[in-house]
Amino acid sequence: NAGVTQTPKFQVLKTGQSMTLQCAQDMNHNSMYWYRQDPGMGLRLIYYSASEGTTDKGEVPNGYNVSRLNKREFSLRLESAAPSQTSVYFCASSELVYNSPLHFGNGTRLTVT
Amino acid sequence: ILNVEQSPQSLHVQEGDSTNFTCSFPSSNFYALHWYRWETAKSPEALFVMTLNGDEKKKGRISATLNTKEGYSYLYIKGSQPEDSATYLCAFPLGYGGSQGNLIFGKGTKLSVKP
Repeated sequence: NAGVTQTPKFQVLKTGQSMTLQCAQDMNHNSMYWYRQDPGMGLRLIYYSASEGTTDKGEVPNGYNVSRLNKREFSLRLESAAPSQTSVYFCASSELVYNSPLHFGNGTRLTVT
Repeated sequence: ILNVEQSPQSLHVQEGDSTNFTCSFPSSNFYALHWYRWETAKSPEALFVMTLNGDEKKKGRISATLNTKEGYSYLYIKGSQPEDSATYLCAFPLGYGGSQGNLIFGKGTKLSVKP
């Protein structure tokens, strides 16, 4: 089992460029999430998908879009990257029960110049 | 605004020392409290998800307690080893059902264990 797989691991973009971060999980989890990690801040939720076919905004959704392609895959798109989106991005998944832990991918380090 | 506070921010101990740190969270609308261990250059890994007041969970030398009435949880590490060096995060879910992964994370306690 690979768990949660994110691609790419690293990316450098120029301001205004677009890109999609890919995430896939093989644990048959219903719920998937995108978090970002910035220095001095806790992990902050960007978007989540409670189950296939649904998506909801988290704490910091501005500048991002998401697609829950199927049960396995949840992508995060930056339409027009800004330097403020320089961050480490983590995808996570969990079962749809209240005491289920999150399983995280290895992260994508994104730099926007 | 919901806030999850962790203290101390960082901790330096010698190998063999026992240590503990604190997570404070809102005591109202409690669903669960998560603890994660995050090693440098890796991704966070779940240690515990605690749901009941008075709950105590243990994993090897690491244990955690929960007080939902006063809104705090303690994480204890007995006989710290260099491999325990990591940032320990706690997190508080904003809901249940689909929102159980909508977690408010604390900023973490960074533990360094010197050999």
